[in-house]
This record gives sequence, C-alpha cells and structure tokens, in this order.
Amino acid sequence: GENVEQHPSTLSVQEGDSAVIKCTYSDSASNYFPWYKQELGKGPQLIIDIRSNVGEKKDQRIAVTLNKTAKHFSLHITETQPEDSAVYFCAASGENTGFQKLVFGTGTRLLVSP
Amino acid sequence: DAGVTQSPTHLIKTRGQQVTLRCSPKSGHDTVSWYQQALGQGPQFIFQYYEEEERQRGNFPDRFSGHQFPNYSSELNVNALLLGDSALYLCASSPGPGELFFGEGSRLTVL
Repeated sequence: GENVEQHPSTLSVQEGDSAVIKCTYSDSASNYFPWYKQELGKGPQLIIDIRSNVGEKKDQRIAVTLNKTAKHFSLHITETQPEDSAVYFCAASGENTGFQKLVFGTGTRLLVSP
Repeated sequence: DAGVTQSPTHLIKTRGQQVTLRCSPKSGHDTVSWYQQALGQGPQFIFQYYEEEERQRGNFPDRFSGHQFPNYSSELNVNALLLGDSALYLCASSPGPGELFFGEGSRLTVL
C-alpha cells in the first residue's frame, strides 16, 4: 500500500521567512496530493491540493510543487506569519479509491516566531 | 452553511465498553469517511460510506463498524474498547471524488 514520509517533523522560522515542508510517496498510482493545516484542538483544514497533471499550484502565500518522477511533493509558505503556526500534514490518494482514502504523513509542527 | 459536525466532542470510556460517535456531513455532501488520529500522528483511514454502504475499509479490526443513514449522516461504533483505541476520531465528508472536509473530531479516552 501507499506510504507517505514527511520532513521535517518540526520547523521554527522567524516571521517573514519562508518555510518548506517535503513529502515523498511510494505508490505511483497516487495522483492527488492535498495539504492540511491542523490547529490545536481542531480538525485538519485543507489549505491547498495538487493533482498529478500539474507540477505547481499557488494560492497567495502558499504553493505546492510536485515531481512525479521522483515521487515527492513540497509545500512552500512565503512571508510567514505567527498565525501560520500549526501542524501541517501532507497526504496522498488515488483515483482508484475515489480520492477518499487519504494516506497522511506524520506531520510537521511549524512555529513562526514574531 | 454548517460544516461537518461531530458529537460528542469528548468522552471517556473504560476498557471493554462500546462507543458510538456521530457525524453530520457538510450540506450537499453524500460521502462520509472516518479517520483515527492518535496523539502526535497523522490521521489513519478507517472506512468510507456512500449510499448507506461501506465502500472501502482501512486496516482496522471488525470491532470498528459504521452506518450511514438516508440523510447522509453517519455513525462510528467501536466495540470491546482497548486502551489503544484512545484517539481523536475524525469524520470527513465530500461531495464525491475529491477534497475532503474534516470535522473537529471526537476525542475518545479509554481508561
């Protein structure tokens, strides 16, 4: 089955810096890669996603890149703000599961210091 | 527009007991999935319901069962609770193939 690895487990940056979180996946059939932000005591919130027919997607300060050949994808947050502090999860799924069975990484705790 | 709602938010049970968790999907969503999130870990897929039937299942024992009602709401039942079942249980809904919207979760503590 699919296995998703995520690095780093913790990331501390200064406000205004950029943050990059990287994930690798194992199943070449996976073709949908969402990123979720989870704040303390809350459920995961979808912040951006990418499908395998594109290599990059941007939404304001957030971007995701995908390298299908190497089977890795990354989340880029620019101009970080204290409210970006949270745990971020990458995930992968495939059309064969109707994109319902997400396999998550182990999470990255991002701390943005003022 | 209400998002995915789950109840109860917190509950405490003892080993061997049974628990039922409830989920109302986001308006217009007909597919519900359940995930288990242990402390410090990513969510793990339990199962998915669509048209009142279990469509997919993750690596969870038969002690975990579910149901989906005609109004698309869903229940997760766990029998013979073990200490290791302590976790945050997340419900997610979607309008079909595609992005999942998660609820705030039900935190279960088994003593």
